[in-house]
Amino acid sequence: GEDVEQSLFLSVREGDSSVINCTYTDSSSTYLYWYKQEPGAGLQLLTYIFSNMDMKQDQRLTVLLNKKDKHLSLRIADTQTGDSAIYFCAEGLSGGSYIPTFGRGTSLIVHP
Amino acid sequence: NAGVTQTPKFRVLKTGQSMTLLCAQDMNHEYMYWYRQDPGMGLRLIHYSVGEGTTAKGEVPDGYNVSRLKKQNFLLGLESAAPSQTSVYFCASSYIRQYEQYFGPGTRLTVT
Repeated sequence: GEDVEQSLFLSVREGDSSVINCTYTDSSSTYLYWYKQEPGAGLQLLTYIFSNMDMKQDQRLTVLLNKKDKHLSLRIADTQTGDSAIYFCAEGLSGGSYIPTFGRGTSLIVHP
Repeated sequence: NAGVTQTPKFRVLKTGQSMTLLCAQDMNHEYMYWYRQDPGMGLRLIHYSVGEGTTAKGEVPDGYNVSRLKKQNFLLGLESAAPSQTSVYFCASSYIRQYEQYFGPGTRLTVT
């Protein structure tokens, strides 16, 4: 079956880098995603990576994918207080019946 | 372009009462989803739809019903509310073979 695991909390100091980790079980996952949920709001897609990639960089965000270990990470450089949110890892399969599986979310707390 | 909207934003029900949550999207998406979010549990899929007139069960469908009579609307019904259904409910939509889900702002439901 499919399962996505994340640690529940991460606390960092403003200006430091944050690394949020995720492991998944379905080796046929084609797309892996990071969503961000700010307080009182719905989820918004932050970034995604195809399973044939090892790394993707987008401004302060770096996504690393280790397919052998089924491990995904999101690094946020120069973390700001506005980055405080819940971050969800999700995996998805290609094909017509796309139903993603979400992790439980990691609460990132950024303190001055 | 309003994206995904949900009605109502908040609701308090008594045990045994019924209600319908409305989700609407104006992006012409084929796929629509209903999730519930509980502390420490992440997102759990209740029901989903792959097109107008179709519905399917997700991970936690018991106690809920859904309908997709129009492509832009996805309704979630609670026939006899229970305290265990106290949660935040999110609707989402996506294109077929597009891999980003667009989320609504959520409905906070309390059942006493």
